[in-house]
Amino acid sequence: DGGITQSPKYLFRKEGQNVTLSCEQNLNHDAMYWYRQDPGQGLRLIYYSQIVNDFQKGDIAEGYSVSREKKESFPLTVTSAQKNPTAFYLCASNPRGQSNTGELFFGEGSRLTVL
Amino acid sequence: SQQGEEDPQALSIQEGENATMNCSYKTSINNLQWYRQNSGRGLVHLILIRSNEREKHSGRLRVTLDTSKKSSSLLITASRAADTASYFCATDGPGGYNKLIFGAGTRLAVHP
Repeated sequence: DGGITQSPKYLFRKEGQNVTLSCEQNLNHDAMYWYRQDPGQGLRLIYYSQIVNDFQKGDIAEGYSVSREKKESFPLTVTSAQKNPTAFYLCASNPRGQSNTGELFFGEGSRLTVL
Repeated sequence: SQQGEEDPQALSIQEGENATMNCSYKTSINNLQWYRQNSGRGLVHLILIRSNEREKHSGRLRVTLDTSKKSSSLLITASRAADTASYFCATDGPGGYNKLIFGAGTRLAVHP
Protein backbone atom coordinates (compact mmCIF):
# COMPACT_ATOMS: atom_id res chain seq x y z
CA ASP A 1 0.00 0.00 0.00
CA GLY A 2 1.16 3.53 -0.71
CA GLY A 3 2.01 5.74 2.19
CA ILE A 4 4.57 7.42 4.36
CA THR A 5 6.71 5.41 6.76
CA GLN A 6 8.44 7.06 9.68
CA SER A 7 10.98 5.30 11.88
CA PRO A 8 11.66 4.79 14.63
CA LYS A 9 8.30 5.30 16.32
CA TYR A 10 9.99 5.95 19.67
CA LEU A 11 13.50 7.24 20.21
CA PHE A 12 15.43 8.16 23.30
CA ARG A 13 18.46 10.40 23.17
CA LYS A 14 21.00 11.58 25.66
CA GLU A 15 21.77 15.26 25.75
CA GLY A 16 24.50 16.21 23.31
CA GLN A 17 23.72 13.45 20.83
CA ASN A 18 22.52 13.89 17.28
CA VAL A 19 19.69 11.64 16.11
CA THR A 20 18.22 11.05 12.68
CA LEU A 21 14.56 10.37 12.03
CA SER A 22 13.68 8.52 8.86
CA CYS A 23 10.83 9.39 6.49
CA GLU A 24 10.17 7.33 3.37
CA GLN A 25 7.25 7.65 0.95
CA ASN A 26 6.13 5.54 -2.01
CA LEU A 27 3.43 7.94 -3.15
CA ASN A 28 5.66 9.47 -5.85
CA HIS A 29 5.12 12.87 -4.24
CA ASP A 30 7.52 15.69 -5.03
CA ALA A 31 7.06 17.73 -1.86
CA MET A 32 7.91 16.53 1.64
CA TYR A 33 7.69 18.25 5.02
CA TRP A 34 8.77 17.90 8.63
CA TYR A 35 6.59 19.21 11.42
CA ARG A 36 7.09 19.29 15.16
CA GLN A 37 4.17 18.87 17.57
CA ASP A 38 4.31 19.77 21.25
CA PRO A 39 1.53 18.96 23.74
CA GLY A 40 -1.43 21.29 23.44
CA GLN A 41 0.03 23.04 20.42
CA GLY A 42 -0.45 22.88 16.72
CA LEU A 43 2.10 21.63 14.24
CA ARG A 44 5.07 23.83 13.46
CA LEU A 45 7.00 23.56 10.21
CA ILE A 46 10.69 22.66 10.53
CA TYR A 47 11.81 22.10 6.93
CA TYR A 48 10.24 21.35 3.58
CA SER A 49 11.45 20.18 0.20
CA GLN A 50 9.70 20.67 -3.11
CA ILE A 51 12.11 18.68 -5.21
CA VAL A 52 15.15 16.45 -4.92
CA ASN A 53 18.34 18.20 -3.80
CA ASP A 54 16.44 21.28 -2.66
CA PHE A 55 14.93 22.18 0.71
CA GLN A 56 13.80 25.27 2.56
CA LYS A 57 13.72 26.29 6.21
CA GLY A 58 10.40 26.45 7.94
CA ASP A 59 9.50 28.44 11.02
CA ILE A 60 11.64 26.53 13.54
CA ALA A 61 14.64 25.18 11.60
CA GLU A 62 17.32 26.04 14.18
CA GLY A 63 18.95 22.93 15.58
CA TYR A 64 17.69 20.70 12.76
CA SER A 65 19.10 19.58 9.43
CA VAL A 66 17.66 17.67 6.47
CA SER A 67 18.71 16.17 3.16
CA ARG A 68 16.79 15.22 0.02
CA GLU A 69 19.02 12.99 -2.05
CA LYS A 70 16.16 10.80 -3.26
CA LYS A 71 12.56 11.61 -4.08
CA GLU A 72 11.36 8.93 -1.67
CA SER A 73 13.39 9.96 1.35
CA PHE A 74 13.58 13.06 3.55
CA PRO A 75 15.50 12.31 6.78
CA LEU A 76 15.57 14.80 9.64
CA THR A 77 18.56 15.12 11.96
CA VAL A 78 17.96 16.62 15.37
CA THR A 79 21.31 18.05 16.40
CA SER A 80 22.72 18.80 19.81
CA ALA A 81 22.11 22.47 19.04
CA GLN A 82 18.36 21.93 19.42
CA LYS A 83 17.78 23.01 23.01
CA ASN A 84 14.41 21.39 23.58
CA PRO A 85 14.13 18.41 21.22
CA THR A 86 11.62 16.33 23.15
CA ALA A 87 8.55 16.33 20.90
CA PHE A 88 6.46 14.38 18.42
CA TYR A 89 7.80 14.68 14.87
CA LEU A 90 5.59 14.28 11.84
CA CYS A 91 6.60 13.84 8.22
CA ALA A 92 4.19 14.69 5.41
CA SER A 93 4.07 14.88 1.63
CA ASN A 94 1.98 16.18 -1.24
CA PRO A 95 2.22 15.72 -5.00
CA ARG A 96 2.62 19.34 -6.22
CA GLY A 97 1.65 20.29 -9.75
CA GLN A 98 -1.77 19.71 -11.26
CA SER A 99 -2.58 16.82 -8.99
CA ASN A 100 -1.94 18.88 -5.89
CA THR A 101 -5.08 19.67 -3.96
CA GLY A 102 -3.16 21.14 -1.06
CA GLU A 103 -3.86 18.08 1.08
CA LEU A 104 -0.98 16.75 3.15
CA PHE A 105 -0.43 13.03 3.65
CA PHE A 106 1.13 12.27 7.03
CA GLY A 107 3.20 9.49 8.47
CA GLU A 108 2.49 8.01 11.90
CA GLY A 109 5.08 10.13 13.66
CA SER A 110 8.22 9.63 15.70
CA ARG A 111 8.31 10.48 19.40
CA LEU A 112 11.71 11.72 20.55
CA THR A 113 12.53 11.91 24.24
CA VAL A 114 15.73 13.43 25.57
CA LEU A 115 16.92 11.79 28.77
CA SER B 1 2.54 33.01 15.47
CA GLN B 2 -0.40 30.74 14.81
CA GLN B 3 -2.68 31.47 11.93
CA GLY B 4 -5.51 29.21 12.97
CA GLU B 5 -6.93 28.94 16.44
CA GLU B 6 -9.57 26.40 17.33
CA ASP B 7 -12.35 26.82 19.81
CA PRO B 8 -13.16 25.14 22.12
CA GLN B 9 -9.88 23.57 23.23
CA ALA B 10 -11.80 20.52 24.45
CA LEU B 11 -15.29 19.18 23.88
CA SER B 12 -17.04 16.29 25.60
CA ILE B 13 -20.33 14.94 24.26
CA GLN B 14 -22.48 11.81 24.19
CA GLU B 15 -22.81 9.49 21.22
CA GLY B 16 -25.48 10.68 18.83
CA GLU B 17 -24.98 14.35 19.62
CA ASN B 18 -23.53 16.84 17.17
CA ALA B 19 -20.08 18.33 17.70
CA THR B 20 -19.16 21.79 16.48
CA MET B 21 -15.62 23.14 16.39
CA ASN B 22 -14.57 26.59 15.30
CA CYS B 23 -11.41 27.95 13.75
CA SER B 24 -10.32 31.55 13.39
CA TYR B 25 -7.42 32.80 11.31
CA LYS B 26 -5.65 36.09 10.77
CA THR B 27 -4.64 36.63 7.15
CA SER B 28 -6.28 36.04 3.78
CA ILE B 29 -6.27 32.44 2.56
CA ASN B 30 -6.70 30.39 -0.59
CA ASN B 31 -8.13 27.42 1.25
CA LEU B 32 -8.72 26.02 4.72
CA GLN B 33 -8.39 22.38 5.66
CA TRP B 34 -9.49 20.24 8.58
CA TYR B 35 -7.46 17.31 9.84
CA ARG B 36 -8.09 14.64 12.43
CA GLN B 37 -5.49 13.08 14.74
CA ASN B 38 -6.04 10.05 16.91
CA SER B 39 -3.91 9.99 20.04
CA GLY B 40 -0.26 9.32 19.24
CA ARG B 41 -0.89 8.96 15.51
CA GLY B 42 -0.40 11.01 12.36
CA LEU B 43 -2.90 13.47 10.97
CA VAL B 44 -5.53 12.47 8.46
CA HIS B 45 -7.02 14.94 6.03
CA LEU B 46 -10.79 15.35 6.37
CA ILE B 47 -11.92 18.13 4.08
CA LEU B 48 -10.69 21.20 2.22
CA ILE B 49 -12.76 24.29 1.53
CA ARG B 50 -11.65 27.00 -0.88
CA SER B 51 -11.92 30.69 -0.18
CA ASN B 52 -14.73 31.08 -2.75
CA GLU B 53 -16.82 28.34 -1.11
CA ARG B 54 -19.13 28.90 1.84
CA GLU B 55 -20.11 25.37 2.78
CA LYS B 56 -18.96 21.87 2.01
CA HIS B 57 -20.18 18.42 3.04
CA SER B 58 -18.50 15.06 3.31
CA GLY B 59 -20.48 12.26 4.90
CA ARG B 60 -21.28 13.34 8.47
CA LEU B 61 -19.00 16.36 8.19
CA ARG B 62 -20.11 19.86 7.34
CA VAL B 63 -17.64 22.68 7.02
CA THR B 64 -18.49 26.35 6.66
CA LEU B 65 -16.21 29.23 5.81
CA ASP B 66 -16.82 32.92 6.44
CA THR B 67 -13.97 34.86 4.90
CA SER B 68 -15.38 38.18 6.11
CA LYS B 69 -15.04 36.97 9.70
CA LYS B 70 -11.94 34.89 8.98
CA SER B 71 -13.53 31.87 10.56
CA SER B 72 -14.58 28.33 9.80
CA SER B 73 -16.58 25.69 11.60
CA LEU B 74 -16.55 21.91 11.47
CA LEU B 75 -19.75 20.11 12.38
CA ILE B 76 -19.78 16.38 13.00
CA THR B 77 -23.33 15.07 13.05
CA ALA B 78 -24.55 12.02 14.95
CA SER B 79 -21.16 11.54 16.61
CA ARG B 80 -19.76 8.13 17.46
CA ALA B 81 -17.23 6.99 20.04
CA ALA B 82 -14.83 6.41 17.12
CA ASP B 83 -14.90 10.16 16.40
CA THR B 84 -12.90 10.73 19.59
CA ALA B 85 -9.75 12.51 18.40
CA SER B 86 -8.16 15.92 18.07
CA TYR B 87 -9.25 18.09 15.17
CA PHE B 88 -7.04 20.75 13.59
CA CYS B 89 -7.67 23.46 11.07
CA ALA B 90 -4.89 24.47 8.70
CA THR B 91 -4.63 27.46 6.42
CA ASP B 92 -2.23 28.22 3.63
CA GLY B 93 -1.80 31.86 4.61
CA PRO B 94 0.88 34.12 3.20
CA GLY B 95 3.37 31.31 2.70
CA GLY B 96 1.18 29.39 0.31
CA TYR B 97 0.41 25.69 0.38
CA ASN B 98 3.99 24.79 1.26
CA LYS B 99 3.66 26.51 4.61
CA LEU B 100 0.36 25.37 6.06
CA ILE B 101 -0.26 26.86 9.47
CA PHE B 102 -2.03 24.67 12.00
CA GLY B 103 -4.07 25.68 15.00
CA ALA B 104 -3.67 24.09 18.43
CA GLY B 105 -6.65 21.80 17.85
CA THR B 106 -9.87 20.80 19.57
CA ARG B 107 -9.85 17.59 21.61
CA LEU B 108 -13.15 15.84 21.11
CA ALA B 109 -14.30 13.07 23.44
CA VAL B 110 -17.44 11.16 22.47
CA HIS B 111 -18.81 8.99 25.27
CA PRO B 112 -20.85 5.84 24.58
